[in-house]
Amino acid sequence: DSGVTQTPKHLITATGQRVTLRCSPRSGDLSVYWYQQSLDQGLQFLIQYYNGEERAKGNILERFSAQQFPDLHSELNLSSLELGDSALYFCASSPGQGVNEKLFFGSGTQLSVL
Amino acid sequence: GNSVTQMEGPVTLSEEAFLTINCTYTATGYPSLFWYVQYPGEGLQLLLKATKADDKGSNKGFEATYRKETTSFHLEKGSVQVSDSAVYFCALSDRGSSNTGKLIFGQGTTLQVKP
Repeated sequence: DSGVTQTPKHLITATGQRVTLRCSPRSGDLSVYWYQQSLDQGLQFLIQYYNGEERAKGNILERFSAQQFPDLHSELNLSSLELGDSALYFCASSPGQGVNEKLFFGSGTQLSVL
Repeated sequence: GNSVTQMEGPVTLSEEAFLTINCTYTATGYPSLFWYVQYPGEGLQLLLKATKADDKGSNKGFEATYRKETTSFHLEKGSVQVSDSAVYFCALSDRGSSNTGKLIFGQGTTLQVKP
């Protein structure tokens, strides 16, 4: 058990809908990362938050947004969903800003857009 | 931009065979290099890392050496077990001015070990 909790584990929705994925980092970790894993794109970095502030941005679509709350949990909001958004979304956390740090991954949220 | 290339899988081996999974990278600056492993139904776990050239990372019998001259970080294990069956990801972290934990992953290599 990595100590990172992601909910829900599975999510099935329709095109055009909006969903929220939730992540609770390990106790004491200040950074939260979001990654998307799909068969065609592999593991893609979406965004990193450190202590409530956006720290790094990757290939995150404009339809997607994220935030990190004062209690350090994070939410990833996906809107106007398309079939191609179907993927496994991972959250990870680390103690500091991340350089050379070990990332602890959650078990992921499997999103299916029908 | 920075990128990681891994050998395509799946790799199928018999128990106690020698394992090599090739990984090469393209990066500006001086990246740190990582191997993560993903067991079925689980998130990724750090297997080993190396932060500078000629460093050797090792864990659970796995080893990888940071070779700057060949831009490689190949994963090796002398004797694999059925329990090593998983997907292995090579990754790099750019230690440039951005100072973040962003990782760039390879496509992953599936290892299947048969008894």
